[in-house]
Amino acid sequence: SQKIEQNSEALNIQEGKTATLTCNYTNYSPAYLQWYRQDPGRGPVFLLLIRENEKEKRKERLKVTFDTTLKQSLFHITASQPADSATYLCALHTGGFKTIFGAGTRLFVKA
Amino acid sequence: NAGVTQTPKFQVLKTGQSMTLQCAQDMNHNSMYWYRQDPGMGLRLIYYSASEGTTDKGEVPNGYNVSRLNKREFSLRLESAAPSQTSVYFCASEGLAGGRSGSDTQYFGPGTRLTVL
Repeated sequence: SQKIEQNSEALNIQEGKTATLTCNYTNYSPAYLQWYRQDPGRGPVFLLLIRENEKEKRKERLKVTFDTTLKQSLFHITASQPADSATYLCALHTGGFKTIFGAGTRLFVKA
Repeated sequence: NAGVTQTPKFQVLKTGQSMTLQCAQDMNHNSMYWYRQDPGMGLRLIYYSASEGTTDKGEVPNGYNVSRLNKREFSLRLESAAPSQTSVYFCASEGLAGGRSGSDTQYFGPGTRLTVL
């Protein structure tokens, strides 16, 4: 069956460290992959998009990698801050008008 | 530029009651979506509309109907609410990041928290 897996356990890290979140998928061949941030009580907000022919994408303190052989994306936040605490969702665009979302990983950054 | 707006923010219904969730976007996007989000699960697509005048079923359409009233508005209707429809509902529209024309990024509304007793 097709599925997307994100670590369901919360990730706790110390301020200033690099947070790394993982997104694994099976039985998809996505044209591109996206990462969203969701704060409690709010809708997801788009962060980064990486296409199947790209290995890495950066935006300020954020970095995303995409390995289509391993079927995995890694999302990094460098020099993390307490304000980065949120749930981060991975999403695959599978073609047409369908985007499949993972359940998300909660990140807690301690001061 | 308000982005995507949803009403109401909260709603409590009794089993069997009906209601319509409203969604509007002011970004001139063609595609719009309705999702539900339940604890421990990813966003699940209920219905989508690729363009004005068209709608299609997503992953979990049973118990719901939609109307794409015009390019801006996309409503979701529960005809006879059931406790299994207790969830947070998100509307989204799709455009290109940075506001360019095309589609690859979804912009979400703030959500409607629905409880069915």
